Amino acid sequence: ETVLTQSPATLSLSPGERATLSCRASQSVDIYLAWYQQKPGQAPRLLIYDASNRATGIPARFSGSGSGTDFTLTISSLEPEDFAIYYCQQRKNWPPVTFGQGTRLEIK
Amino acid sequence: EVQLLESGGALVQPGGSLRLSCAASGFTLSTYPMSWVRQASGKGLEWVSAIRGSGETRYRDSVKGRFTISRDTSKNTLYLQLNSLRVEDTAVYFCVRGPDEPLDYWGQGTLVTVSS
Repeated sequence: ETVLTQSPATLSLSPGERATLSCRASQSVDIYLAWYQQKPGQAPRLLIYDASNRATGIPARFSGSGSGTDFTLTISSLEPEDFAIYYCQQRKNWPPVTFGQGTRLEIK
Repeated sequence: EVQLLESGGALVQPGGSLRLSCAASGFTLSTYPMSWVRQASGKGLEWVSAIRGSGETRYRDSVKGRFTISRDTSKNTLYLQLNSLRVEDTAVYFCVRGPDEPLDYWGQGTLVTVSS
């Protein structure tokens, strides 16, 4: 099973600041890494797929990078609606599909 | 517009059974891989099962032999039959399009509670 480890567990920032979230895989997932945003009481929403492609309707302030085992989600300038939990997920080595444990992005 | 609407969640006793449904609209369900993903309260996301367009099915180890994923092409509906339920199966279950492609569309989820 490919284990995804996200860091940090919690990130405290202010609106307007830059956020950098990390996801490390226990084995290579090539570029088949996605990022999701989840707000309380809602289903996750796809933000980034195949490491660096923004999903439909996702603002340009969200960007992804990486390949192999190390990946980054960057939010260039935080908006109030960006404070949420973020998950990474791989689809290279499945079953099982695996998710990271999540990074909580909170308002400082 | 793609929509996924789950139903069937309920309170059930340990050892009991339940069938979850996911009605799809805006696309033909049988031409895409489809998954069930669950989330226990306050916890992370956990993939449960998937069915490919070919009909091939896959499960996580902890549900093998207890859960069965299937679909009805005439109703454009995905199912998850849950048998021999355990307390640790308690979660919101999401119907999701994927995972051979990204998990791009999610339903709103249906709550399964296993408790005596």
